[in-house]
Amino acid sequence: DIVMTQSPDSLAVSLGERATINCKSSQSVLYSSNNKNYLAWYQQRPGQPPKLLIYWASTRESGVPDRFSGSGSGTDFTLTISSLQAEDVAVYYCQQYYSSYTFGQGTKLEIK
Amino acid sequence: QVQLQQWGAGLLKPSETLSLTCDVYGGSFSGYYWSWIRQSPGKGLEWIAEINHSGGTNYNPSLKSRVTMSVDTSKNQFSLKLSSVTAADTAVYYCVGYGSGRPYDFWGQGTLVTVSS
Repeated sequence: DIVMTQSPDSLAVSLGERATINCKSSQSVLYSSNNKNYLAWYQQRPGQPPKLLIYWASTRESGVPDRFSGSGSGTDFTLTISSLQAEDVAVYYCQQYYSSYTFGQGTKLEIK
Repeated sequence: QVQLQQWGAGLLKPSETLSLTCDVYGGSFSGYYWSWIRQSPGKGLEWIAEINHSGGTNYNPSLKSRVTMSVDTSKNQFSLKLSSVTAADTAVYYCVGYGSGRPYDFWGQGTLVTVSS
């Protein structure tokens, strides 16, 4: 199984400031035949299922604000929220869908 | 837009069988893959089983001996059975849908299943 490891486990950021969450996979999730990284990011608010934010490592899902962005390739990836809003308080997960599906352990994002 | 509505018993005793069903509304049922995953404080988000529109299944090896997933295309629904449950199976269970080679696009609302004597 591909193991996904996120850092940090929790993060406190002031409103309007940048938040950065990292995700590392135990093996590459870059599929050479189409040059796509099979890496997604989800947001989970309390009492709700996870919501898909980003796929192919950097493509925003329809309706997701452009303050959310994803980057990285191979085994190292980053989710960035450029200007934190109150409604962004949530747990964020990365997921690889290169070989079956596995998630990171989650990063809890709070307001400082 | 595809919507998933899941239902099933939320309180079980040890050794009983967990049974959940997910109804699919909108979109093309045969055009997607369907899975069950669960979320618990101890194990995070864990994939349980996958089925395609043809009925082909894949199971998590750690649960394979206890899991059965089925699909009823006439009702646009799919189901999960997990036998011989223990307290370790206590979790929120989600049904999900996605295209081939895609992440999980659609999620059910979740069902908290508690196993307790």
